[in-house]
Amino acid sequence: SFNLTQPPSVSVSPGQTASIICSGDNLGDKFASWYQQKPGQSPVLVIYRDSRRPSGIPERFSGSNSGNTATLTISGTQAMDEADYYCQAWDSRAVVFGGGTKLAVL
Amino acid sequence: QLVESGGGSVQPGGSLRLSCAVSGLTVSTNYMSWVRQAPGKGLEWVSLIYSGSNTYYADSVKGRFTISTDTSKNSLHLQMNSLRADDAAVYFCARLYGSGSDKHLDVWGQGATVSVSS
Repeated sequence: SFNLTQPPSVSVSPGQTASIICSGDNLGDKFASWYQQKPGQSPVLVIYRDSRRPSGIPERFSGSNSGNTATLTISGTQAMDEADYYCQAWDSRAVVFGGGTKLAVL
Repeated sequence: QLVESGGGSVQPGGSLRLSCAVSGLTVSTNYMSWVRQAPGKGLEWVSLIYSGSNTYYADSVKGRFTISTDTSKNSLHLQMNSLRADDAAVYFCARLYGSGSDKHLDVWGQGATVSVSS
C-alpha cells in the first residue's frame, strides 16, 4: 500500500519560512494536498493539486511536489500558523494521509 | 455544510450508526468520505462512497463498517459493527472533491466522538 511520511515536528521563528516535507514513492506522479488542523477543530484544506490555494487561504501558504517529496511552505510564518499539518494523496481509490507534522512557532 | 450526529459510548463488540446531514451539496453526485482521528493521533481515512453504490474501505474497518447515503434526506451514514477499542476516535464526514488523481477533502464536518470501552 502507498504510504506518506512526515517529520513529527518542525519549529520556526515568527516571520521566517517554514517548510514541511511529505515523502512517498513517486509522490510527484500523484497530486498532493495539505491540511491544517488546530486543537479541537476540524482540518482545513490549505493546498490542493500540489500548489493551488483554496479561496480564503493566505498567499503565504504555497506547495510543490516533485520526485518523492511534496513540500508545504509557509512564508512569513505567524503565530496563528501553529498547528498540525497533514499531507494527503489519492491512490487506488483510497485517501492516504501522512502521519502529520506539528508546527511550532517559537 | 456537514453536521455529524450519532456519536456516543459503546461497549466492545457493540454497534453504532453515525449520520452526516449535508446541505449545500448533493450526496448522490459527490464523493463522500469518513475520516477518523483517535485521541492524540493523526488523521485516518475510513471509507468512501460515490454514485450511491461504489464503496471503499480502509483495511482496518473492512467487513465491520458500512457506508451509505440516503438521497431522500441528503445524508451520509456509517454503520459501525463489532466495535473495538481502537475504533475510538472523532469521526469526520467530508466531501472528496477533484478530478482524476487530484482528490482532496474540501468540506469537513465538525466531528462526532465515538468511545469504545467496557
